[in-house]
Amino acid sequence: GQNIDQPTEMTATEGAIVQINCTYQTSGFNGLFWYQQHAGEAPTFLSYNVLDGLEEKGRFSSFLSRSKGYSYLLLKELQMKDSASYLCAVRGGDYKLSFGAGTTVTVRA
Amino acid sequence: IAGITQAPTSQILAAGRRMTLRCTQDMRHNAMYWYRQDLGLGLRLIHYSNTAGTTGKGEVPDGYSVSRANTDDFPLTLASAVPSQTSVYFCASSAERGGYNEQFFGPGTRLTVL
Repeated sequence: GQNIDQPTEMTATEGAIVQINCTYQTSGFNGLFWYQQHAGEAPTFLSYNVLDGLEEKGRFSSFLSRSKGYSYLLLKELQMKDSASYLCAVRGGDYKLSFGAGTTVTVRA
Repeated sequence: IAGITQAPTSQILAAGRRMTLRCTQDMRHNAMYWYRQDLGLGLRLIHYSNTAGTTGKGEVPDGYSVSRANTDDFPLTLASAVPSQTSVYFCASSAERGGYNEQFFGPGTRLTVL
């Protein structure tokens, strides 16, 4: 089976930086995804990593270390609209996505 | 372009009743998925289909069935609903099952089984 761990909750101030860590143990690896989910809405795609290193997309960056089974999502210049749940998902050797329970980020003024 | 639609938006169902959740996508994606989302557990895969005419079991398939008669539609059926199936159900699709192909999610169906 798959085991994906991420913190339950994080709080940060508007304009600050927050880093959400994700560790995983999976049977095979075919990529790691980060999704954003606002309360009561569907998840939406943020980033994809399949090779080690940092992927930058505007205010959001995602890092992957396959040897350590570790990823993080970095949110810079936080805005109130970034208050949401952030889901780490790993695509295993069977090409199925396994999701972590999600990290709820609260941005305070 | 609608993307993925799901129906109904929400439903209250008596235990023992049969229920079909509908999912339709207009992106001509080959792969489709059904997840349930429960507080503290995250999204869990129920069933999936890599292409029309094929289906497979996910992490929590018991009590659910699916069919994939064509590319666009992927209904999920609860043959005899039980209270533990109370959840939010998301349908998703991706162009292919691998590569840089993210999954796109529908708006969800909130199901309550009493």
